[in-house]
Amino acid sequence: AAGVIQSPRHLIKEKRETATLKCYPIPRHDTVYWYQQGPGQDPQFLISFYEKMQSDKGSIPDRFSAQQFSDYHSELNMSSLELGDSALYFCASSPYTEAFFGQGTRLTVV
Amino acid sequence: GIQVEQSPPDLILQEGANSTLRCNFSDSVNNLQWFHQNPWGQLINLFYIPSGTKQNGRLSATTVATERYSLLYISSSQTTDSGVYFCAGRKTSGSRLTFGEGTQLTVNP
Repeated sequence: AAGVIQSPRHLIKEKRETATLKCYPIPRHDTVYWYQQGPGQDPQFLISFYEKMQSDKGSIPDRFSAQQFSDYHSELNMSSLELGDSALYFCASSPYTEAFFGQGTRLTVV
Repeated sequence: GIQVEQSPPDLILQEGANSTLRCNFSDSVNNLQWFHQNPWGQLINLFYIPSGTKQNGRLSATTVATERYSLLYISSSQTTDSGVYFCAGRKTSGSRLTFGEGTQLTVNP
């Protein structure tokens, strides 16, 4: 069965650089979520899209933006990266029931 | 938003032991899931269980929606069961999925 695909799996950036994370949801799932998980923490909600429109927003820094495209893939753009942005970033997709998570992108900011 | 409390925060077992993990919600949820995060960070779906009881091998889960809690049972634990177990819920379809802080399970041989 198709799963949620995230790319890249690992990313190393320097402070003040920009990063773009990509997510390809499971076909026919109408909702996409982005989460950030710091070391030893639970996943924290960033933002979600329902049918390509932003549906909910969490504690996402103004330096971050996201969108969902016509082909349903989504991108999380992160600018002016800080050391504290180092984390595991998950994308998930869902129909109206169960959510499925991708394998995550591990971002390291040096 | 809803608050999710998990207990215990840490659990150490000997291989073969049984355990129960609990998840309490501050408000009613209509979607509830249990996940296992393995040492590589992957979030693996265990159960989608907004109400009732489900079983999958050595794992089972029960949600009592009217009392806003869910339980995850692990029987005959194995070392490969080690990792963090999260429950997560959301109030309505399409709304954010809110996670608890997790239970760190260590199963020793």
